[in-house]
Amino acid sequence: GAGVSQSPSNKVTEKGKDVELRCDPISGHTALYWYRQSLGQGLEFLIYFQGNSAPDKSGLPSDRFSAERTGGSVSTLTIQRTQQEDSAVYLCASSQLGLAGGVQNIQYFGAGTRLSVL
Amino acid sequence: AQKITQTQPGMFVQEKEAVTLDCTYDTSDQSYGLFWYKQPSSGEMIFLIYQGSYDEQNATEGRYSLNFQKARKSANLVISASQLGDSAMYFCAMREGRGGSYIPTFGRGTSLIVHP
Repeated sequence: GAGVSQSPSNKVTEKGKDVELRCDPISGHTALYWYRQSLGQGLEFLIYFQGNSAPDKSGLPSDRFSAERTGGSVSTLTIQRTQQEDSAVYLCASSQLGLAGGVQNIQYFGAGTRLSVL
Repeated sequence: AQKITQTQPGMFVQEKEAVTLDCTYDTSDQSYGLFWYKQPSSGEMIFLIYQGSYDEQNATEGRYSLNFQKARKSANLVISASQLGDSAMYFCAMREGRGGSYIPTFGRGTSLIVHP
């Protein structure tokens, strides 16, 4: 597709279960970002991938969170042993370039995955 | 200190009127970019407008313009002729250049409601 695609759009899970969230970025975009947005809050950075470089994991809130990006394209965010405070919308974005500035570094977002942990 | 501050949690405007959404930023970098995004109830973040720190002219995109006051470190979004479809959350973001992180920082957002 033309835009960033995220799946599932909604996920309800029980506390303690593992979940996987998927992001399919815009074709050709080398940079991919994951954010978390809690109700009524701004965006909290989680992790950043740039090409084949090691990801920037500085925003991951705990070791229960991990992400990978296969083949420089699709990314999966995994949350292990989910807790109720993990309930949020998880947004994925991609951009044409990571380190370069300017208009080319506009982030394009997916519609997000709304995660509810019961 | 917060890098992006949006002081208006909620704003109301009459249809067809203009509205200004405030954004101030904090950086010691000389090279940075400022962005505004719209997030309707559907959840997707939609890019609206970009301003580079070295751009001398204020950015404009259709009904959106960015009132960039570098000395005051403000980058307010002006929406002219508001429409009902403009009702949404609006986020200001900054990406710092060589001296800073390449990860954009977002403000907490402003909720805009357009009345008929």
